[in-house]
Amino acid sequence: QKEVEQDPGPLSVPEGAIVSLNCTYSNSAFQYFMWYRQYSRKGPELLMYTYSSGNKEDGRFTAQVDKSSKYISLFIRDSQPSDSATYLCAMREILTGGGNKLTFGTGTQLKVEL
Amino acid sequence: NAGVMQNPRHLVRRRGQEARLRCSPMKGHSHVYWYRQLPEEGLKFMVYLQKENIIDESGMPKERFSAEFPKEGPSILRIQQVVRGDSAAYFCASSPQTGTDTQYFGPGTRLTVL
Repeated sequence: QKEVEQDPGPLSVPEGAIVSLNCTYSNSAFQYFMWYRQYSRKGPELLMYTYSSGNKEDGRFTAQVDKSSKYISLFIRDSQPSDSATYLCAMREILTGGGNKLTFGTGTQLKVEL
Repeated sequence: NAGVMQNPRHLVRRRGQEARLRCSPMKGHSHVYWYRQLPEEGLKFMVYLQKENIIDESGMPKERFSAEFPKEGPSILRIQQVVRGDSAAYFCASSPQTGTDTQYFGPGTRLTVL
């Protein structure tokens, strides 16, 4: 079983729709939860990060964490064609030597159609 | 403030050759991480370095791969005697002094082994 599970999609929605992206995880050592956006042939770009269970909102984006269920979500409101990208969830654990290590989901490919 | 720089952006090697990938972290960042993204897979952690020290290399293949982050100059990921299975996108990320902070990713180097 993978440490982080994410539906690869592809997910296709009409412009203006609400998008829901999800990941589950199995490692209790994960302490921080992030969502990255990756456009084709580019590096991942940090969208949001959260630590505690609950919701965190930033503009059209809402990140939700449920540590008891080991489940995280990203909601995108009023989706735009420019949101078309691959969305990667990432979990962070602190390394014993300092620093941190990210474990990524495989990414969900999203396409927002006009 | 320039972001994380990686070069070359594209690298083509024949089987058996060596590949050298370079990463310059963001200004003020002293922690560097390397990840590999294989086709249809998520990013996989390879190694975490601070200046002149390898802190965690638990994700590095045991043979042919090495990494360094010298006191001066960029971090180098070196792959000796490349094989077709090494074809992937290699991403570098950096974080500030504390090492527990958010990782910011570069644009990646796409390695193709012929």
